[in-house]
Amino acid sequence: SYELTQPPSVSVSPGQTARITCSGDALPKKYPYWYQQKSGQAPVLVIYEDSKRPSGIPERFSGSSSGTMATLTISGAQVEDEADYYCYSTDSSGNPLFGGGTKLTVL
Amino acid sequence: QVQLQESGPGLVKPSETLSLTCAVSGYSISSGYYWGWIRQPPGKGLEWIGSIYHSGSTYYNPSLKSRVTISVDTSKNQFSLKLSSVTAADTAVYYCARLYSGYDFYFDYWGQGTLVTVSS
Repeated sequence: SYELTQPPSVSVSPGQTARITCSGDALPKKYPYWYQQKSGQAPVLVIYEDSKRPSGIPERFSGSSSGTMATLTISGAQVEDEADYYCYSTDSSGNPLFGGGTKLTVL
Repeated sequence: QVQLQESGPGLVKPSETLSLTCAVSGYSISSGYYWGWIRQPPGKGLEWIGSIYHSGSTYYNPSLKSRVTISVDTSKNQFSLKLSSVTAADTAVYYCARLYSGYDFYFDYWGQGTLVTVSS
């Protein structure tokens, strides 16, 4: 079955660039999306259709992809960016699918 | 502003049926879009459960399909989830959300989530 694979954790110091990856065989044909989930809260969309930012999302969040790998980049990560990040896409049947999540630590 | 609010029992006994409702405000379900349920076991990742269109057309996660029923009540502007024969593995925070249809389907508005514990 189709999967989206993320590293369990990423750690950076404040002001550094954080990169979170997501790999999936269908990503060359499907857009990746990224959700941020802070502790005890519902997920929030931060990147859609590979690289677009919803209204209200800071410019330091960006997305890109190449082949089977998608990357969420947080340029100049801040303490408030500490959260779990999930990549998302759909499988060949159009079913929603989430990656396993990456815990971003900023300290 | 679209808002979603989950409601239902926070405790369900093993082998029984979990029932949740999602009330939508700020948007009429009859106007379109798919609406879905997602769950998250404590300390784990997100899992899509299933989705429903305002017409009643449904599609479910194949791994849960045999136990899941999602229905919609447009007169009350809400949709519901039933998950049968629950076990402790079904303990999770359950979210309802709207599926936006752009190039793909993706979740744009989410409820705050409700914790359902399966225990005797």
